[in-house]
Amino acid sequence: DSGVTQTPKHLITATGQRVTLRCSPRSGDLSVYWYQQSLDQGLQFLIQYYNGEERAKGNILERFSAQQFPDLHSELNLSSLELGDSALYFCASSVGFAGGPIDTQYFGPGTRLTVL
Amino acid sequence: AQSVSQHNHHVILSEAASLELGCNYSYGGTVNLFWYVQYPGQHLQLLLKYFSGDPLVKGIKGFEAEFIKSKFSFNLRKPSVQWSDTAEYFCALGGSGTYKYIFGTGTRLKVLA
Repeated sequence: DSGVTQTPKHLITATGQRVTLRCSPRSGDLSVYWYQQSLDQGLQFLIQYYNGEERAKGNILERFSAQQFPDLHSELNLSSLELGDSALYFCASSVGFAGGPIDTQYFGPGTRLTVL
Repeated sequence: AQSVSQHNHHVILSEAASLELGCNYSYGGTVNLFWYVQYPGQHLQLLLKYFSGDPLVKGIKGFEAEFIKSKFSFNLRKPSVQWSDTAEYFCALGGSGTYKYIFGTGTRLKVLA
């Protein structure tokens, strides 16, 4: 158990819908990362937050957005869903350094999203 | 461009065989390198990491990796694999000066009992 929790574990929805994935980081971790893992694309970095502020953006679609709340939990919002959005979405957390090197990430169990 | 390449997508070994998984990266600055493992049905876990110092890094479960700067490589090794090592292995790069992680596409290892 990494200490990172993600809900829900599974989500089945239809095209065009909007869903919200939730992540609670390990106690004390300030950074949260979101990843998408699909069979054809591998593990793709989406976005990172540090202490409530967006720090880095990866291959995140405009239909997707995220935020980190004052209690440090994070939500990833996916809208206008397409079949191709079906994937495993991972959240990871790390201690986070304001300006230092990237530290070890601890991954959650993931949310499996199926878009029908 | 920043990238991580894992050339072996699928590897099948018998128990007790030696393992070496390749990882090459492209990055213009100082790198931090990681190997993560994902066992079937589980989340990714850190195997080992290299930040600085001794280029030979030892991790959990008998794994080690060697950072060779001149070859832009960070290959993962284990002298004798076990059936329980069956998993997917990801090499990742974190470049100082960025906050992004770049993962390789992963190598699926199957160890036959």
